[in-house]
Formats: sequence, structure tokens, C-alpha cells
Amino acid sequence: QKEVEQDPGPLSVPEGAIVSLNCTYSNSAFQYFMWYRQYSRKGPELLMYTYSSGNKEDGRFTAQVDKSSKYISLFIRDSQPSDSATYLCAMIGGFKTIFGAGTRLFVKA
Amino acid sequence: SAVISQKPSRDICQRGTSLTIQCQVDSQVTMMFWYRQQPGQSLTLIATANQGSEATYESGFVIDKFPISRPNLTFSTLTVSNMSPEDSSIYLCSVVEGTGNQPQHFGDGTRLSIL
Repeated sequence: QKEVEQDPGPLSVPEGAIVSLNCTYSNSAFQYFMWYRQYSRKGPELLMYTYSSGNKEDGRFTAQVDKSSKYISLFIRDSQPSDSATYLCAMIGGFKTIFGAGTRLFVKA
Repeated sequence: SAVISQKPSRDICQRGTSLTIQCQVDSQVTMMFWYRQQPGQSLTLIATANQGSEATYESGFVIDKFPISRPNLTFSTLTVSNMSPEDSSIYLCSVVEGTGNQPQHFGDGTRLSIL
């Protein structure tokens, strides 16, 4: 079993939709959680960084962490074609960072 | 956050040759890492570049194949040696600013194709 599981998609939604991206993990040592966005031919860009269980909001993006279920989510409201990218979850535990495989998102105009 | 520049951005190389990838950061950083990313796959950590000492390699990666230098707190190089088509991939440099469990920041990568 992988330490971090992320559905690779692709996920295709119409413009304006609410997008939900998810990851599950198995290692309780993970205490810090990130979401990265990666456009084609670019490196991953940090979107959200959170520690505690609960929600963290930044503009149209909301990161949600449920440590009891070992489950994290990224919600994108009012999705735009410019949100089309690959989204990677990542987790830090014991000074080790593990990345999910990434979910490809397509937002259709 | 730190600005990370990688060179070259892409290259096409012949089998058996070597290529050195450079990673330059606009500020001093505590940790630097090198990753490989195959199309549609997750990031695979090659090694942690340690300033002033040998890099720490992950399982499956060896110094003879992927020698790494880190002469100071703002610069590192990764060499891909004796390349084969299986080395065709995207190579990414990342850094951590500060100490503790901080997130990594990435350069835009080097797209390497081996003929």
C-alpha cells in the first residue's frame, strides 16, 4: 500500500463548478499537509500549507484536513479554465515529504 | 518565497553522454533536493544535496550515476551520467527555506530526452 493515494483522474468539469480533489494517507506520522498546482512544462507551485485538522481558505481554494480519517481535500470554487493543471497533495512527517501522484484537472469553458 | 532557476530547461542528448543540470536560488536555503518526474507519475526523490558534504541518496539512486554538488547555500548541480533512454524524464530541483517542517518550493525543471 502506498503511503499516499491520489486518484490520477483526469477530472473534467465545466467552468464555474466546484471541484473536489482528495488524498488519503496511511502514516499517522504525517502532520503537515500541502497542495501543489503544476501547469504543463512548469514545476509544482505551492498552493496551500496546513497543519491542523479543519479548513483553511485562500480565495477560491479551501484545504480540508481530517487526521482521524487520514483524508485531505482541496476544494476549488467557481473553477476557471486557468485552473486546468495537475494538483499534487503532499505530506510531511519526520522531516520526510511524500507526494501523491497528482490529479489532472480540466476546466472547460 | 525563494526564486529557483534551473538550467537547461530542456535538452536532447545522445546515449552514453552526461549532462549537468544547474539549480540556482536567489537566497540562502537550508535544504536542496533533486527529484525525477516521469510523465503522469509522482515525484521521485533522487537525493538531498547537503552543503559542504556528500549528498544523501535514496534507494535505487547511486552517486556514480547521479553525482551531485552543493558548493554553497544557493547553488547545486545534478549530473546524469552515461545516459540511456530510461533516463528520459523531468528533473526538478526543490528547496526548503528556514528550519523545521517547511514546504518545498520547486524550479521549473529540466526536460531531458535521450536518443
